[in-house]
Parts: sequence; structure tokens; C-alpha cells
Amino acid sequence: GDSVTQMEGPVTLSEEAFLTINCTYTATGYPSLFWYVQYPGEGLQLLLKATKADDKGSNKGFEATYRKETTSFHLEKGSVQVSDSAVYFCAPRRTGSARQLTFGSGTQLTVLP
Amino acid sequence: EPEVTQTPSHQVTQMGQEVILRCVPISNHLYFYWYRQILGQKVEFLVSFYNNEISEKSEIFDDQFSVERPDGSNFTLKIRSTKLEDSAMYFCASSEENEQFFGPGTRLTVL
Repeated sequence: GDSVTQMEGPVTLSEEAFLTINCTYTATGYPSLFWYVQYPGEGLQLLLKATKADDKGSNKGFEATYRKETTSFHLEKGSVQVSDSAVYFCAPRRTGSARQLTFGSGTQLTVLP
Repeated sequence: EPEVTQTPSHQVTQMGQEVILRCVPISNHLYFYWYRQILGQKVEFLVSFYNNEISEKSEIFDDQFSVERPDGSNFTLKIRSTKLEDSAMYFCASSEENEQFFGPGTRLTVL
């Protein structure tokens, strides 16, 4: 079945530091890839997506590139802010009629001022 | 901006009782989902629903669970006889095609 391996947390960074959260997946075919973010006490929000190989998703300064050859979708941000403190989930979505997301274990990010 | 809503935000129930969790998906969406997140664990898929029937379900979604779209707007998850291990945050999501939009969740506590 589909699976996601996500960088273990928690991750603690100082404001303006560079962020990388690694994500690799196994899936049948070529899934669409998503990063979701969960702020404290809130639900899941879509952060960015990529639907085919070499696509780069970006939003709010975050980026991730769909790497088919390494089955990876690593999340990066050049300069994190305190407001980025949240849990980040990598989630491939199957192609075809089965559309459910398979979530990684989540990575807790804390950004200190 | 349209959003997925869920009620109640928190439900406390006794073991063995039935609960119904309610969701109002985004109005023009066609695909509906339930996921759950046990405290401190990953988000797990339960069931997907399309064209008034279940399109996919996970091993977690056993005979104790059922889903229904009773009218044009609501999408419900029923747990027939709750167990302690059903305590979790339950998220509803809906999508038109690609992106799934999640509700804020219902925290279910089974005592």
C-alpha cells in the first residue's frame, strides 16, 4: 500500500533560519503530492501541492518540488517566522477513483524569536 | 470564502453509545471524506464517498461505522457503539477534483 516517510520532529529553529522537512513516499503510479499544515488548535490547511513530476508547489514562502526519480517532496522555506510554528504533514494522493490522502506522521516545527 | 464546517466541535460520550458527527461540505464539491487523528498520531483515512455511495474505505472503517448524505448539504459519520479507542479528532473533507478542503474537526472523547 501507499506509505509516507516524513522527517521526525520536533524541529526547533530560530527566526529567519532555513527550513527543510524531508518527505519520501511509495505509491502506485504517479500520485499528486500535497503538504498540509495544522496550526495549534486548528484543522488541516492545504499549504501547497504538485501534480506531476518536476512541478514546484509554492505558497507563503514555502516550496516543494515533485521528484519522481527519488519519490520525494521535501518542504523548504528560506526564512522561517514565529508564525510558521505548526505541524506539517506530507500527503500523496492516489490517482484514479481512489482519492484518499495518505498522511505522514507530521513534523512539529517551533520557531523561536 | 467557502469552507467545510463540522458540528459539534467536541463530543463526550459513554462507551457503547452511538454518536453522529456532522459535516457540511463545500456546496459544489462532489467527493467527501472522513479522516481521524488519534492524539499524537498521524491522520488516518476512514472513508470516501462519491455519487451517494462509499467509493473507498480503510480497515478502520468496520461495521461499527457508517456514513450518510441525508440531504443535499450534510454528510454524517455514525459510530454505532463507541469504544474507548474511538477517542480521536475526526476530520471531514471535501473536494471538487484535486484539492481536499478540511473542516476544523470534531474531538470525540469516549469515557
